[in-house]
Amino acid sequence: GNSVTQMEGPVTLSEEAFLTINCTYTATGYPSLFWYVQYPGEGLQLLLKATKADDKGSNKGFEATYRKETTSFHLEKGSVQVSDSAVYFCALQQAQKLVFGQGTRLTINP
Amino acid sequence: EAGVAQSPRYKIIEKRQSVAFWCNPISGHATLYWYQQILGQGPKLLIQFQNNGVVDDSQLPKDRFSAERLKGVDSTLKIQPAKLEDSAVYLCASSPVAGETYEQYFGPGTRLTVT
Repeated sequence: GNSVTQMEGPVTLSEEAFLTINCTYTATGYPSLFWYVQYPGEGLQLLLKATKADDKGSNKGFEATYRKETTSFHLEKGSVQVSDSAVYFCALQQAQKLVFGQGTRLTINP
Repeated sequence: EAGVAQSPRYKIIEKRQSVAFWCNPISGHATLYWYQQILGQGPKLLIQFQNNGVVDDSQLPKDRFSAERLKGVDSTLKIQPAKLEDSAVYLCASSPVAGETYEQYFGPGTRLTVT
């Protein structure tokens, strides 16, 4: 079946550091790929998405590129802020079903 | 546009008791989902409705969980009787029917603690 694997957390960085959160997936065919974010005390929000190979999703300074050859969708940001502290979930969607990774908790220290 | 509404936000019950959660999706969204998110894990789909019909309930523990969406709008998820391992956040999401890559919009969730 379809599955998503994210890098283990928690991840702690200093403000303005470079961020990478790794995500790989297993699926038949070509799913759509998503990153969701869950800020403390809030619900899941869509951060960015990509629907086909080589697409780059971007939002709020975050980027991720759909890599079919490596079945990956790594999340990156060049300079993180304290306000980026949250839990990040990688997910794939196929046949209307979302499958999530286990989440990566990110803490940014000032 | 109002988002997905859920109530209650928090619930504490003892094992073997019953509990019900309510969800009101975004107006006009035909598809409604219930997810279970156990602490430290990603959300797991429990059931998906298209209007008032069930599309997928393959991961719903049907011996104790039930869900309905009688008029194709709001939905109720029930657990009877609850077990300790049901402690989790229950998320409701909705989406319009507009092809394969439509976005799911999530509510704030109901945090259930079973003691």
